[in-house]
Amino acid sequence: GENVEQHPSTLSVQEGDSAVIKCTYSDSASNYFPWYKQELGKRPQLIIDIRSNVGEKKDQRIAVTLNKTAKHFSLHITETQPEDSAVYFCAATSGLLAGTASKLTFGTGTRLQVTL
Amino acid sequence: NAGVMQNPRHLVRRRGQEARLRCSPMKGHSHVYWYRQLPEEGLKFMVYLQKENIIDESGMPKERFSAEFPKEGPSILRIQQVVRGDSAAYFCASSPRAMSYEQYFGPGTRLTVT
Repeated sequence: GENVEQHPSTLSVQEGDSAVIKCTYSDSASNYFPWYKQELGKRPQLIIDIRSNVGEKKDQRIAVTLNKTAKHFSLHITETQPEDSAVYFCAATSGLLAGTASKLTFGTGTRLQVTL
Repeated sequence: NAGVMQNPRHLVRRRGQEARLRCSPMKGHSHVYWYRQLPEEGLKFMVYLQKENIIDESGMPKERFSAEFPKEGPSILRIQQVVRGDSAAYFCASSPRAMSYEQYFGPGTRLTVT
């Protein structure tokens, strides 16, 4: 089955700096890669996603890049703000390609702390 | 436009009791996923259901856990004879159709077993 590794586990940046979180996956059939933000005690919220036919996607201060050859994808947050502080999870699925349920396999999370 | 609803939000059970967790998907969504999140860990897939069908239960423990999504009413995750190790946050997510990538999560049920 799919295995997703995520690094770093914690990340501290100063307000205004950029933050990068990296994930690798094992199943070459994976074709959808969402990123979720989870604040303490809250639900995971989808913040951006990318499909395997695209190398990069951007939404304001957030961008995601995908390297299918190397089987890794990254989340980039620019001009970080204190409200970006949260735990971020990457995930992957190959379900749709395989014709099975599109269950998500999650990374172990990155705790991002944006300091003033 | 209500999102995914889960209740209860917090549930305390003594060892050996039963826990029932409910999930109402977003309006128009007929596919439900359940995930478990242990403290300080990521989410782990448990089961995927459509109305009246279990599609994939590969993440469900073999014993004590069951799930259903009846034709009418919410999806229910049932844990019998709870043990301390069942303490976790249980999230459900819904999607509108089978060939849909996006999953939207509910607020979760935090189960504490004493």
